[in-house]
Amino acid sequence: SQTIHQWPATLVQPVGSPLSLECTVEGTSNPNLYWYRQAAGRGLQLLFYSVGIGQISSEVPQNLSASRPQDRQFILSSKKLLLSDSGFYLCAWSAGVGSPLHFGNGTRLTVT
Amino acid sequence: GQQLNQSPQSMFIQEGEDVSMNCTSSSIFNTWLWYKQDPGEGPVLLIALYKAGELTSNGRLTAQFGITRKDSFLNISASIPSDVGIYFCAGQLTGGGADGLTFGKGTHLIIQP
Repeated sequence: SQTIHQWPATLVQPVGSPLSLECTVEGTSNPNLYWYRQAAGRGLQLLFYSVGIGQISSEVPQNLSASRPQDRQFILSSKKLLLSDSGFYLCAWSAGVGSPLHFGNGTRLTVT
Repeated sequence: GQQLNQSPQSMFIQEGEDVSMNCTSSSIFNTWLWYKQDPGEGPVLLIALYKAGELTSNGRLTAQFGITRKDSFLNISASIPSDVGIYFCAGQLTGGGADGLTFGKGTHLIIQP
């Protein structure tokens, strides 16, 4: 069966520091991968999605970037964190067009 | 992009009561999905609906794909404390960007003992 792993579970970082969140999927090939952000426990905002290695689409302009160095690995990064980057970050995968998304357990990021 | 209206925003109910929530859109979807999110965790898929008019159950949960393809509802019967959480609907239109998926803003279910 397919599983999705996301880490770390929680992270506290100072303003101006870099960020790297990692997500990996097991048990499937060539998944679509996604990064969402959720503020204050409500609403899912799509940040990035990828349909293949090296292919990244950004949904909103921001201080973050994403990369997909391997088929089942998706990384969310920032060079310099802002206070407004605090939130709950969720990675998700799907088998492709028309398939449901399956989410990881999220990373709670607090920028201080 | 497409917009989903999910209601109610919050529900305060007594244990044992039935729950009903819905999502509506001005646009049609090919698929409706319902997720539940427990505090501090990622959303988990509850039910997926693929055909207009489809009625699907998963234990005490029942969801329907509206005949117009512009709405869906989720019912929970005889609520229990572990039903607490945020429920999200999502409409999916094949061929749209990012798998054409649009999420509602969630219904926060709170159960009073």
